[in-house]
Amino acid sequence: EPEVTQTPSHQVTQMGQEVILRCVPISNHLYFYWYRQILGQKVEFLVSFYNNEISEKSEIFDDQFSVERPDGSNFTLKIRSTKLEDSAMYFCASQPGTVYEKLFFGSGTQLSVL
Amino acid sequence: KNEVEQSPQNLTAQEGEFITINCSYSVGISALHWLQQHPGGGIVSLFMLSSGKKKHGRLIATINIQEKHSSLHITASHPRDSAVYICAVNPETSGSRLTFGEGTQLTVNP
Repeated sequence: EPEVTQTPSHQVTQMGQEVILRCVPISNHLYFYWYRQILGQKVEFLVSFYNNEISEKSEIFDDQFSVERPDGSNFTLKIRSTKLEDSAMYFCASQPGTVYEKLFFGSGTQLSVL
Repeated sequence: KNEVEQSPQNLTAQEGEFITINCSYSVGISALHWLQQHPGGGIVSLFMLSSGKKKHGRLIATINIQEKHSSLHITASHPRDSAVYICAVNPETSGSRLTFGEGTQLTVNP
């Protein structure tokens, strides 16, 4: 079965540093998402991306966050200046075409900000 | 108040038991998803429902749109079913984003 691939699986960074989390969604999917899960909490929506632009973003997704699909295959989440509270598991997901279809999640990137 | 409430929070069962996990939501939705999160953290989509009932192997998911309620059933449970089961909804007013429940931790003992 096709997979969503995320790299790295673990990322440790110092507060204030920039990080880029990478995702390769399933190739013929149209919707792409970033979600995050702080340890012990529920999964939270960050941003959705469709037709090469952000279609929706949450209150969490402030100016420190950005997403790109630079080459038609990779989908990246950048955090410009990390804070301690950005420590979480970040999941990329893709969806074939509509909300009436299953999502496919990557295995996640565990980000630790020290 | 959470838009998505799951019960129970924790569930322990013996192998072979029939299991039900419930999900109630307070907003109009376009779709409801049942997800499974393994101990390593990975998330797998089990079902997407907008009405009625779906079955896949030993898993059955139902939804009652009028009552804003969904259930996930596992028949003949097995220790490998041990995981966190998460209900998530697409609110009608929120495009394609999902709003997640807290999850139900299921442990099936041999």
